[in-house]
Parts: sequence; structure tokens; C-alpha cells
Amino acid sequence: GQSLEQPSEVTAVEGAIVQINCTYQTSGFYGLSWYQQHDGGAPTFLSYNALDGLEETGRFSSFLSRSDSYGYLLLQELQMKDSASYFCAPGNTGGFKTIFGAGTRLFVKA
Amino acid sequence: DVKVTQSSRYLVKRTGEKVFLECVQDMDHENMFWYRQDPGLGLRLIYFSYDVKMKEKGDIPEGYSVSREKKERFSLILESASTNQTSMYLCASSLSADSINSPLHFGNGTRLTVT
Repeated sequence: GQSLEQPSEVTAVEGAIVQINCTYQTSGFYGLSWYQQHDGGAPTFLSYNALDGLEETGRFSSFLSRSDSYGYLLLQELQMKDSASYFCAPGNTGGFKTIFGAGTRLFVKA
Repeated sequence: DVKVTQSSRYLVKRTGEKVFLECVQDMDHENMFWYRQDPGLGLRLIYFSYDVKMKEKGDIPEGYSVSREKKERFSLILESASTNQTSMYLCASSLSADSINSPLHFGNGTRLTVT
């Protein structure tokens, strides 16, 4: 079967660093993507990890450990506009489907 | 920039009606997807297509069908709408079948209410 776990909510203050963890179980795994969705908006792609290690894109970094079936999204220098839902999305080789869970709702406080 | 356009932002239909949700992408993407998004359940894949006239079932295809007659257009059909199909429907596209890591580009969604 397949499963995906990430915290439902995280709260942090402006300027802080926050880490959103993701554990997954899926057959034919080939990579882990992260998406951001603001209320009322469309999910937008943030990052992708195919290999173990850290990928950095500005204030956002994403990490993957394939052996642990684990990844995280790290957001630095938090801004109010980072308040959104964040989805980790493992992809499998079965027809290129990307699997989404319920996501993590991030609240950034002043 | 890729643009994925869904024909309606809000739609209200009656139980038993046949409903068509249309999606068009303008970047010659091969793959197209339909998801539904419900609170606490995230995005769940209904159907996807990796080529014209090709379709594959996702995780929750029951009660839905799809049509892809042209590369840029992917339609979701509710043959007989039911109240449990009230949801936000998101269409997405991605580049090609060879680029297994190509990101999904989403439309803004259609909020369907079935009464």
C-alpha cells in the first residue's frame, strides 16, 4: 500500500525557521516534491528531490533520505506570506502519479 | 509561464445532472490530471492522461469519467452528480512522460456544489 504522513498544523513566528517533516511509503518511488497552496489558490511547485540530500532554493530548502522514506521542507526567515498549506508529494513510477496527503497548514505569527 | 485554465470557478448543479468540468493547458504538456480536494483529505487523484485519447484511473475514479480528444484539453465528467461529489476540483498538467520529475502545474480550481 501507500501512506503519507506530515503534521496537520505548524505555527511559527515571523523571522523564525520552521521544518515540516514528511514520511511516506509508496512502491516505485522516484522522487519527493513539495507544493505550496495559499487559501483559495492553486498549489504551486516549490522543490523536488530525486537524490538524498539537501536542495536549496532561496529561503526554502528540501531534504530527502530515501533509505528512511523521509523528507522535510525547511523555511527560513519566515514571512507572513508564507502562511499557507504545504504538501509533500512522493512520485511513483506507476504512471507518473504524484501522491498528495492532507498537507501541513503553516501559520506565521507577527 | 504555463497556464492551466479551468472553465468555471464556481458551479452549482442538482443531483442527477450530468456535469462537465473543462480544463485547457497552453504549454503542449503531455500529462494531464484531475484531482479533488477536500478538507482533511488533501488532494486525491481521480484520473490522469499521458496522451491524447489515453486515460488511467487514479485513486478515486468511481462516479467519474474523462475525455481527452485534444492534447491541450482534458475534461472531467460526472455522469450523474451526487451530493458526495461536492468538492474543489483541480486540474493539472506536466511536461512529458519521459520527464518523470516534471512538476505539476495546477489550474485555479472549480468549486462544485451538488444540491
